[in-house]
Amino acid sequence: EVQLLESGGGLVQPGGSLRLSCAASGFTFSSYAMTWVRQTPGKGLEWVSGISGSGGSTYYADSVKGRFTISRDNSKNTLYLQMNSLRAEDTAVYYCAKAHRSSFDGSSPHYWGQGTLVTVSS
Amino acid sequence: QTVVTQEPSLTVSPGGTVTLTCASSTGAVTSGYYPNWFQQKPGQAPRALIYSTNNKHSWTPARFSGSLLGGKAALTLSGVQPEDEAEYYCLLYYGGAQVFGGGTKLTVL
Repeated sequence: EVQLLESGGGLVQPGGSLRLSCAASGFTFSSYAMTWVRQTPGKGLEWVSGISGSGGSTYYADSVKGRFTISRDNSKNTLYLQMNSLRAEDTAVYYCAKAHRSSFDGSSPHYWGQGTLVTVSS
Repeated sequence: QTVVTQEPSLTVSPGGTVTLTCASSTGAVTSGYYPNWFQQKPGQAPRALIYSTNNKHSWTPARFSGSLLGGKAALTLSGVQPEDEAEYYCLLYYGGAQVFGGGTKLTVL
């Protein structure tokens, strides 16, 4: 059974940093691209970042480019999102999702975690 | 800035048929945008329904189908059930980035 468990969310001040983790199990982690998606409370979904199965290719939404870094440790079956220079508008529930293929290109988020809440406020 | 547009809300009667659409500000949606559809109910994570235009997951009910319609991606629900009341999101691929639509709130009434 595919399981994705996000952690690392919490309250952080504007300008601060936070690292999210997503522990994966139930599948061969290195064989699948992964994605981060966020959702502002009561609002819609926003794609944030994606990474290929090998970790060699990374992709970012314009809204986070230069501030967020996606990475993965295939030996630990864990996906990360390093978030720097956080802003109030980054407040959201952050979901990690497993894609259906190794390449991010044209991939589809098939399985989703339950999300972790990040609140950026002073 | 790329914008993906969905109907904000739709209402359908139980047993009826409804089609949700997904349009791109860049022009006609084709299979190269790998349209995806997701269902989200209050308090839950999104659940994938359709990928690459018309492919269903093993858990996707048969009454859900995806297609391209008039330059848009489309999700059709045939024989709507009360449990289909939810928010539906489409997702399009733009060569290295993905963009979600704003979502359609489907009411079954």
